[in-house]
Parts: sequence; C-alpha cells; structure tokens
Amino acid sequence: GENVEQHPSTLSVQEGDSAVIKCTYSDSASNYFPWYKQELGKRPQLIIDIRSNVGEKKDQRIAVTLNKTAKHFSLHITETQPEDSAVYFCAASGGGGNQFYFGTGTSLTVIP
Amino acid sequence: GAVVSQHPSRVICKSGTSVKIECRSLDFQATTMFWYRQFPKQSLMLMATSNEGSKATYEQGVEKDKFLINHASLTLSTLTVTSAHPEDSSFYICSAREVDTSTDTQYFGPGTRLTVL
Repeated sequence: GENVEQHPSTLSVQEGDSAVIKCTYSDSASNYFPWYKQELGKRPQLIIDIRSNVGEKKDQRIAVTLNKTAKHFSLHITETQPEDSAVYFCAASGGGGNQFYFGTGTSLTVIP
Repeated sequence: GAVVSQHPSRVICKSGTSVKIECRSLDFQATTMFWYRQFPKQSLMLMATSNEGSKATYEQGVEKDKFLINHASLTLSTLTVTSAHPEDSSFYICSAREVDTSTDTQYFGPGTRLTVL
C-alpha cells in the first residue's frame, strides 16, 4: 500500500517568512495530492491540491510543487501570518482506489 | 456547498457498550465515504472505505467486527464501535467524496470524540 512521509514534524517561523513542508510517497500510481490544514479540535480543511499531470500550482500565498520522478511534493506558504498556525497534512491518492493516505502532519507555528 | 456533518460530536460511554456515529453529506450525494481515526497530535489513520449499497472495505489491522460500517444511502454512513473499551477512545472523523464529479476531493466532517470509561 501507499506510504506517505512528511517533514518536518514541527516548524516555527517568524511572521512574514516562508514555510516549506515536504512529503514523499511510495506508490508511483498515486496521482492526486491534496494538502489539508487542521486547527485544534476541528476538521481538516483542503487548502490546495495538485494532480500528477501538473508540476506546480499556486493560490495566492500558497503553492504546491510535485516531482513525480522523485515521488515527492512540497507545500510552500509565503508571507506567513499568525492565522497560518495549525497542523498541515499532506496526502496521496489514486493508486488503485479513492483512499487518501495521510502524512504524519506538520505543526506550524507563526511567531508574531 | 459540500458540507459533511457528524453526530454526535462527543460521546462518553461505559466499557462494553456500543456507540453509533453518523456521517451525513448535507448538500451532495456521496457514493463513497471514509472513516478515519485520529489520536492526539497524530495523523489521520484510514480505517475503512464505505460504499453505498455494498460492504465496507477495511484497512489492514482494522477489525471489521469491532467497527461496523453501514452506508445505507447516498447521504448517510454510520460507524458502530461495538463493545467499546478504553483503548477505543479517540477522535473519529468521516469524509465524503461527491458522486458524478471528476474531482478527487474529500470533504471532512467535524469529528466525534469518543471517550470510553
């Protein structure tokens, strides 16, 4: 089955700086890679996603890059704000089913 | 749009009892719903895939007789934790995938916190 690894597990940045979170996956058949933001005690919220036929996608301060050959993808948040503080999860899907397999999560803290 | 609800949001029960959690897609139809378990400060672990009108598919290591899943309609899936024990205490979250769409996006419910005494 799919195995998704995520790094770092915790990340602290100063407000205004950039944050980068990286994930690797094992199943070369995976073709859909969403990123979710989860605040404490709340549901995960989709913030951006990318499909395997695209190398990069950007939405305002958030961008995701995908390297299919290396089987890794990254989340980039620029001009971070305190409200970006949360746990971020990457996921991989599509290798034979609709299931999402999540990374272990990154706790991001943006210091004002 | 694409709202998923869960009920109850919190439940406390005695060891040995069964607990039913409902997951509903409120404004769309979902042929597939997913059940996850999340321990504090940990990731979402996929437990099973619930398909409308057919048996659920369980992930390796998840006991199907322990976690009963029923997906009776295109808007409702239920998870029943049978004979619950303290180790079953966790945050259970469902998600739903919309019918007839090319998107792979899953929409998550708000979760149910189960505490077994």
